[in-house]
Amino acid sequence: EPEVTQTPSHQVTQMGQEVILRCVPISNHLYFYWYRQILGQKVEFLVSFYNNEISEKSEIFDDQFSVERPDGSNFTLKIRSTKLEDSAMYFCASSYSSYNEQFFGPGTRLTVL
Amino acid sequence: SQQGEEDPQALSIQEGENATMNCSYKTSINNLQWYRQNSGRGLVHLILIRSNEREKHSGRLRVTLDTSKKSSSLLITASRAADTASYFCATVPDSNYQLIWGAGTKLIIKP
Repeated sequence: EPEVTQTPSHQVTQMGQEVILRCVPISNHLYFYWYRQILGQKVEFLVSFYNNEISEKSEIFDDQFSVERPDGSNFTLKIRSTKLEDSAMYFCASSYSSYNEQFFGPGTRLTVL
Repeated sequence: SQQGEEDPQALSIQEGENATMNCSYKTSINNLQWYRQNSGRGLVHLILIRSNEREKHSGRLRVTLDTSKKSSSLLITASRAADTASYFCATVPDSNYQLIWGAGTKLIIKP
């Protein structure tokens, strides 16, 4: 069964460093998303991406964040200068259409020291 | 504003019993989805119910949606130890595609 994959599973970085989180969505899906979940808190929407551009983003998704689909399979989230409060689990998701089920990857746990 | 508030926050039942979790939301929705998350792991999609549907079944899962009350319930029948997890409802508003999440119900099934 097709699934969303994410790498790495755990990333530790120093404050101020750049990180890139990688995702491979399900191959025939057209919509891609990033969410994050700070430990013990709700899952929060960051950004959605369709047709090679951002379709929606939340207030969390400020200028520090960017997304890219560099080729036909990968979908990346870049955080330019990480802060302590960026420590969270980051989930990538994809869906075939905008109002269908979103399928999630296993997540990347980002720890900023 | 917060969307998707589940209750109870935690539920502990004996294996074999039914578990019911509720979710309320505030804005008009296109659909509502339920997800499961095992401790520290990924989010597994369980079921999607659209705003024009009232009830949906999938195996031991039954979901209802009452748009007039802006609420949904998830019933797991004949619970098993493997059902132990956190369960989240997430809504997709009419106006956009993002999932807006509740805080979840932590379900513990005692063997």
